[in-house]
Amino acid sequence: GQNIDQPTEMTATEGAIVQINCTYQTSGFNGLFWYQQHAGEAPTFLSYNVLDGLEEKGRFSSFLSRSKGYSYLLLKELQMKDSASYLCAVRDMIKAAGNKLTFGGGTRVLVKP
Amino acid sequence: NAGVTQTPKFQVLKTGQSMTLQCAQDMNHEYMSWYRQDPGMGLRLIHYSVGAGITDQGEVPNGYNVSRSTTEDFPLRLLSAAPSQTSVYFCASTHGLADSYEQYFGPGTRLTVT
Repeated sequence: GQNIDQPTEMTATEGAIVQINCTYQTSGFNGLFWYQQHAGEAPTFLSYNVLDGLEEKGRFSSFLSRSKGYSYLLLKELQMKDSASYLCAVRDMIKAAGNKLTFGGGTRVLVKP
Repeated sequence: NAGVTQTPKFQVLKTGQSMTLQCAQDMNHEYMSWYRQDPGMGLRLIHYSVGAGITDQGEVPNGYNVSRSTTEDFPLRLLSAAPSQTSVYFCASTHGLADSYEQYFGPGTRLTVT
C-alpha cells in the first residue's frame, strides 16, 4: 500500500518563499507528482520527479529523494493567485496499473498581502 | 480538443437511487480513472482502466461500477446511492506511452445524496 503525508495548511506572505514537504511510504514507486488545485476546481499538473534531484520550472521547483521517501515543492515569489491546495501523489510501479496515483491529503496554502 | 468532459456538473440524489456519471475524452488516451474528493481531503481512486474492455478496482470501489466499451468513454455507475457517497467526483485520463505521465482532469461532478 501507499502512505503519503503532507502538512494540512501553511500561510505565507506575498513575495516570500514557501516549501511544502511530502513524505511517502510505498510498496512501489514510479514517480512523484505535484498538482495545484484552486477551490472548486479540478487539479492541474505542476511537476513530476522520477529521479533524485531538483526540477525547476519558473517560480516552482520540486525535489525528490527516493532513499528518504521525501519530496518538497518550493514556491518562490509568492503571488496572491498561488493561494490553493497543493497535492502530492505517487505513481504505482506496476505498468498494468496504468497511471494509477495515490494522493496525499493536500496542503492548503494561504498567501497574505 | 475539448479535453476531459464530465456530466452532470451537479446532482442531488435520494438514498437508494441509481445514476451514471459520464466521462469522455477526445485525446485518444488509453488510461482513464475515477477519483472522489471529500472536503479537505486529497483524491481517492475508485476505479481505473488501462484500455477499452479493461477495468480494475482502486482504493474505494464499493458501491460503484465502471465499464470501458470505447477508448473515449468511461462512465461511473452508482448502484444504490448512500449519503457516504456525497463527494466531488473527478475523471482523469493519460496517454498510454511509457514516457507520458500527466493526468488531465475533468471539471468534476458535485454529488449530494440526501
